Amino acid sequence: EVQLLESGGGLVQIGGSLRLSCAASEFTFKNFLMTWVRQAPGKGLEWVSAISGTGSYAYYADSVKGRFTISRDNSKNTLYLQMNSLRADDTAVYFCAKDAVDTGYFYYMDVWGKGTTVTVSS
Amino acid sequence: QSALTQPASVSGSPGQSITISCTGTSSDVGSHDLVSWYQQYPGKAPKLMIYEVTKRPSGVSNRFSGSKSGNTASLTISGLRAEDEADYYCCSYAGGYTVHYVFGTGTEVTVL
Repeated sequence: EVQLLESGGGLVQIGGSLRLSCAASEFTFKNFLMTWVRQAPGKGLEWVSAISGTGSYAYYADSVKGRFTISRDNSKNTLYLQMNSLRADDTAVYFCAKDAVDTGYFYYMDVWGKGTTVTVSS
Repeated sequence: QSALTQPASVSGSPGQSITISCTGTSSDVGSHDLVSWYQQYPGKAPKLMIYEVTKRPSGVSNRFSGSKSGNTASLTISGLRAEDEADYYCCSYAGGYTVHYVFGTGTEVTVL
């Protein structure tokens, strides 16, 4: 069964940093675009960032551009999100998601992890 | 990178049909057929219900159907059941200057 498991969430102070990980299993990880999506408490889903299968191309929402860096290690089947200069409005559950088509580009997200919670507080 | 517009809430009685709209622009919903829909229960991860506007993944009930006209996509739930009570989000690929996904604002479905 295809699985995604996020980790690395926690409580961090405003201005601090955190690195999230997403361990993938049971599919050819390097072939698929991977995405981070977040959901603030009581709010809707927000696309955060995506990275092509090879890792050559990274895409960011305006709200995190310049502060967050997405990366992947295809030898470890793991996706990362390095979050710097964290703000209170970055508080959310962060989900990683796999794209559905093995071209390494955007189609739709067919498998999601359960999420990891990030709380940014003073 | 503006969110797609969905009604905040939609309700219906068991057995009825409801439709959730998702309005975007010619840069996202209107420019291609990469619109998907997700169901989310509180505290859970989203689940794919519809992809490429009209297609259903294996295991998703045929009571769920999707369509699109111009810049607006729609999700219809027929034969409404108590278990359909959840939040629903549309999502579209958005090309152009900055390639990205864009989600809808979300719709809370209530079964009366």
